[in-house]
Amino acid sequence: KAGVTQTPRYLIKTRGQQVTLSCSPISGHRSVSWYQQTPGQGLQFLFEYFSETQRNKGNFPGRFSGRQFSNSRSEMNVSTLELGDSALYLCASSPGQGAFVETQYFGPGTRLLVL
Amino acid sequence: DAKTTQPPSMDCAEGRAANLPCNHSTISGNEYVYWYRQIHSQGPQYIIHGLKNNETNEMASLIITEDRKSSTLILPHATLRDTAVYYCIVRPPIQGAQKLVFGQGTRLTINP
Repeated sequence: KAGVTQTPRYLIKTRGQQVTLSCSPISGHRSVSWYQQTPGQGLQFLFEYFSETQRNKGNFPGRFSGRQFSNSRSEMNVSTLELGDSALYLCASSPGQGAFVETQYFGPGTRLLVL
Repeated sequence: DAKTTQPPSMDCAEGRAANLPCNHSTISGNEYVYWYRQIHSQGPQYIIHGLKNNETNEMASLIITEDRKSSTLILPHATLRDTAVYYCIVRPPIQGAQKLVFGQGTRLTINP
């Protein structure tokens, strides 16, 4: 099976702009989670989507949003970009079969630089 | 979520076994221990997980103490490609909540 794919891999934006990142989960996986990784804060959970619904959310401002499509692909959007949004954005998928604990598999990430 | 404590860094010689400790003294009886690693600027890679019993797969072995307050990840024959940050994560079995809480991890350096 192909792994989790993320596009684009690298992105440069300026302050105030908005950005949309895309994630395609492993085939058959229905749950998609997003994480932000910065040198200062480490890896932090953003949100999780399952069946096109957000079912878990981390402690991030409303500028960070996401959605999931019927084919389980997911996008996340960051509006009004700030310099501090420069980070590696990671997507992870898991089967979403209702188990209490499912293993998440990560994509390669999208590196966003805000100037 | 139960807190984990890992040494910030470790070194190991190539070809030797790398033993990475993790302390999780507040773990609950139904919480799983998960290990991931992250090679520089790549996405985290799943390694192994366990609940109570020791586990082994093609990548590593996981040894969990009987009281479950600590665990050790063992890479039996470390190679230079095993140089990475290793994260030990304790996960509560909450259905519908698949988030991972990452700590600072252990930076493992494999030396030739």
